[in-house]
Amino acid sequence: KNEVEQSPQNLTAQEGEFITINCSYSVGISALHWLQQHPGGGIVSLFMLSSGKKKHGRLIATINIQEKHSSLHITASHPRDSAVYICAVIRGGNQFYFGTGTSLTVIP
Amino acid sequence: DAMVIQNPRYQVTQFGKPVTLSCSQTLNHNVMYWYQQKSSQAPKLLFHYYDKDFNNEADTPDNFQSRRPNTSFCFLDIRSPGLGDAAMYLCATSRVASGVGIQYFGAGTRLSVL
Repeated sequence: KNEVEQSPQNLTAQEGEFITINCSYSVGISALHWLQQHPGGGIVSLFMLSSGKKKHGRLIATINIQEKHSSLHITASHPRDSAVYICAVIRGGNQFYFGTGTSLTVIP
Repeated sequence: DAMVIQNPRYQVTQFGKPVTLSCSQTLNHNVMYWYQQKSSQAPKLLFHYYDKDFNNEADTPDNFQSRRPNTSFCFLDIRSPGLGDAAMYLCATSRVASGVGIQYFGAGTRLSVL
């Protein structure tokens, strides 16, 4: 069983919809990353969280340490948001554990 | 400007022919990582350098080696590539502060093995 589970695995949305991607983890962590990977492979770090909530433009990330759960929200989704979104947890030091990703397609 | 640069973006090699992938960074970060990502899978950490200290993951095959001649550069050497080594290879860096650092990723090198 993977230490980091994401849901859903695949998501298709209409442009303008509010999107939520969930991440649950089963281990103690120092922090959690949300990453975005576009076709072709490049990965961009969107957020690093250790508590509470962060917002950047149309993206919002929340984390509940007690429940071992994080969510990534995209408001007013756009086709350019189409990508794979990966949750990764940090367990002390430099060790990252990745979820398998959520593939998002936003249809115009 | 790109801060973590991987070269080449695409690499084709023959079965068994050694290949080297390159990563450079302009961030002066302590830590450099190499990940392997196969299609539809999460990136898998192969190894990382904390300054000059090399840390190998337990399940990284011996076929994979790494060198970090200085802070800015890190190389991934695949000594005898097999068909199963075809993948995207991602380099990342972080500057550790209080034990946790945001990772900055390169664009990746897609390796094909013929």
